[in-house]
Amino acid sequence: EAQVTQNPRYLITVTGKKLTVTCSQNMNHEYMSWYRQDPGLGLRQIYYSMNVEVTDKGDVPEGYKVSRKEKRNFPLILESPSPNQTSLYFCASSLMWGSGELFFGEGSRLTVL
Amino acid sequence: QQQVKQSPQSLIVQKGGISIINCAYENTAFDYFPWYQQFPGKGPALLIAIRPDVSEKKEGRFTISFNKSAKQFSLHIMDSQPGDSATYFCAASQGGGNMLTFGGGTRLMVKP
Repeated sequence: EAQVTQNPRYLITVTGKKLTVTCSQNMNHEYMSWYRQDPGLGLRQIYYSMNVEVTDKGDVPEGYKVSRKEKRNFPLILESPSPNQTSLYFCASSLMWGSGELFFGEGSRLTVL
Repeated sequence: QQQVKQSPQSLIVQKGGISIINCAYENTAFDYFPWYQQFPGKGPALLIAIRPDVSEKKEGRFTISFNKSAKQFSLHIMDSQPGDSATYFCAASQGGGNMLTFGGGTRLMVKP
């Protein structure tokens, strides 16, 4: 089944404790992206990657890091989480840059205390 | 500063009625306007999309109306059903479609 898989789905952590949210897609998509969803603000892009080893900042990259060492994986790293990073995070992928439709994972709900 | 403004934030419609969600954008370079549907506990999924060379696109009960001069587009759900209850996001992008700017979302509830 074609899908975007995120882990963990739920996480409660404390300020400053490094964490990684993994994202994997099995559709051989070139383009991958991370969004955060907050009430009333919709989805805002954190980082995106057009292909392996090519990443760039989105609209809200502060406090986040990403890497794209393999085509299928695009982990989101919070080096020193803070309470304002409490949010619902989505990974998404698309066949290639410009192909339009984004396929989203089921989300990772993160709470930073 | 939101480049895509969506209204209303929430909407309650009776079964069989018409649901209408509106979006307005600022960036005239936007050239791709999709709508995503999100059910609780799930990620958004593409519902329908339009490019500015047409003023309307219909897929089943779902229609996008697009007004380029007013920089507005809307989603109409005809004969709304309880199964349509979800959060709907409008979005816009330029030059290809992947770099989406989303509206704030509309939570739709269709009452039986």
